[in-house]
Formats: sequence, structure tokens, C-alpha cells
Amino acid sequence: GESVGLHLPTLSVQEGDNSIINCAYSNSASDYFIWYKQESGKGPQFIIDIRSNMDKRQGQRVTVLLNKTVKHLSLQIAATQPGDSAVYFCAEIPSGSARQLTFGSGTQLTVLP
Amino acid sequence: DAGVTQSPTHLIKTRGQQVTLRCSPKSGHDTVSWYQQALGQGPQFIFQYYEEEERQRGNFPDRFSGHQFPNYSSELNVNALLLGDSALYLCASSPRRGRVNIQYFGAGTRLSVL
Repeated sequence: GESVGLHLPTLSVQEGDNSIINCAYSNSASDYFIWYKQESGKGPQFIIDIRSNMDKRQGQRVTVLLNKTVKHLSLQIAATQPGDSAVYFCAEIPSGSARQLTFGSGTQLTVLP
Repeated sequence: DAGVTQSPTHLIKTRGQQVTLRCSPKSGHDTVSWYQQALGQGPQFIFQYYEEEERQRGNFPDRFSGHQFPNYSSELNVNALLLGDSALYLCASSPRRGRVNIQYFGAGTRLSVL
């Protein structure tokens, strides 16, 4: 079946460097994508979203890029900080699914001092 | 402004028992969704409620049922618990107007089935 997946299960970066977390999706009918951050013992926290009619969206220190041609989504975090250490999930909402989120398995980001 | 609140935070049950989990949505939200998150995996959609009715359902058996109250709070019930039901159960709320696609999550209820 179609699902959202991630390229790498873990990512380690030096504090102050930029981080890039990747996500591949297979449901071409998805029209909305969201990145969530989940810290240990907490629920997923909304980071940024993007519609399928956009290629790029920027937030505070974060940028999401969407490449519909290759069905690829990425989250870029600028000047990564220790507080950014968490599991990052991409999630999609297929067209017509009325806000039913489909999550990938997540990437563990570790920020090294 | 209180966010999504869930209770209890932890729960231990034995196989065959029944459990009820509770959720209060974020202020101004009227739609509640429930997700199951196994260890090391992403959340899996169970079902969604608004206007006190189940509107969508994921691939979960009928042992999983729910309810939404007039104040938009919600309950998740699981009957005849199995060991495989051990997981973090997350509640998420969203508004019916505005940025309807963004779901805000509670901290979850950790259910252990022995």
C-alpha cells in the first residue's frame, strides 16, 4: 500500500550546523504535508506545513521543500541547537481523506555539542 | 490557553480487560482524532470525531470505539485488550474552520498490557 517513508532513521549534526531531514512519499494524491517534532515523553509538535501547490515554505529557522516530481519532502533546520534533538516525522493528508494524517516512521535527530 | 490534555498519563492493564482513555481538545477546536503509536514508529490513525459522530476510521478492529461529548471532549475505549495494544495513545484536535489541517497533539496515554 502507499505510505510515507523516510530515508534515514538517525541523523547526528554538530551544534550550529544546518540539518536536513528527508522524507519520501508514494501517494501522489496527497495534497498537504506537515512536519512534526516529537521529544521524548511528549506528543508530536507542529513545525511547518506545505500544500502540494507549493515548492517551498519558510518558517523560523526551518524550511520545507517539496519536490512533487520525485515525491520528496525535506525539512531544513538552520543553526541547529541542542533543543532541536528529537524525532522528526513527516505526515501527509491524501486528497479526500478529510484530515486523516498518515505518518512515516520518523528520523531521530541528535545535536552534538 | 490550555492545549490538548489527556488522562491518565500511564495505565497498566491485563489481557482481556477494557480501558477508557480521555481527551480534552484545545480551546476553540471541535474535531478530535485518535492515534496509536507503537514504540519506535509513527502514529497510526484510529478514528476521528466531530459533531459527536465518528467521521473517519483507520484500519483498527471494532474493539476500538470512541465517543465525543457536547463539550467536544472525547473518549477512546478498547475492549478485550491484547498484548499488542500496548502503545502510546495520542489525541489530536483541530478546528473546523481556518487552518483545519493542522492537528495539535496531547502528550498521550502510555498503555501497557500485561
